[in-house]
Amino acid sequence: AQTVTQSQPEMSVQEAETVTLSCTYDTSESDYYLFWYKQPPSRQMILVIRQEAYKQQNATENRFSVNFQKAAKSFSLKISDSQLGDAAMYFCAYRSVSSNTGKLIFGQGTTLQVKP
Amino acid sequence: EAGVAQSPRYKIIEKRQSVAFWCNPISGHATLYWYQQILGQGPKLLIQFQNNGVVDDSQLPKDRFSAERLKGVDSTLKIQPAKLEDSAVYLCASSLVGAGGTEAFFGQGTRLTVV
Repeated sequence: AQTVTQSQPEMSVQEAETVTLSCTYDTSESDYYLFWYKQPPSRQMILVIRQEAYKQQNATENRFSVNFQKAAKSFSLKISDSQLGDAAMYFCAYRSVSSNTGKLIFGQGTTLQVKP
Repeated sequence: EAGVAQSPRYKIIEKRQSVAFWCNPISGHATLYWYQQILGQGPKLLIQFQNNGVVDDSQLPKDRFSAERLKGVDSTLKIQPAKLEDSAVYLCASSLVGAGGTEAFFGQGTRLTVV
């Protein structure tokens, strides 16, 4: 069974600085998708960025980028030029390609605090 | 485009009572998910529908939880009877298809407190 681990329960960053959130996962599959979701206090999960495992190039979305290390099964999220609106809980998630379900397997989450 | 709608936003019930949550997915989305998110944890899938058929309900406690998706659109999740450990946020999500890199869109969830 696949598992996702986020070892940082809480992180803080100064506004305009850069922060990296860590995520590791365990799987025996070679093809899969990885996601980072943001959950603000409103509770609505919002997709931040996604990565296809067979693509070596790291995904980027504006101020958000990932460092995908397939061999190490590591998928970290870098937030550049942090803004107050980035404060939220961040979840790393895994989705199998071979399975016939679209189930997302989530990590425990990292709470990000942005200091003005 | 309207998002995933859920109601109610909050619900407080006593243990052994029953409760139902409602979800209206984004129009045209064939796949609908119910996730349970216990405080301090990541969401866990309870059940996945493809149109009105069940794709995955392996983690649904079927002795007390039930769900249906009539006509492949709206869905209802029911708990009967509720236990203290059912206190959680129940998130509904939908996507065009239930596979690959397809984005799942989430509602704001229902926070259930069982006392």
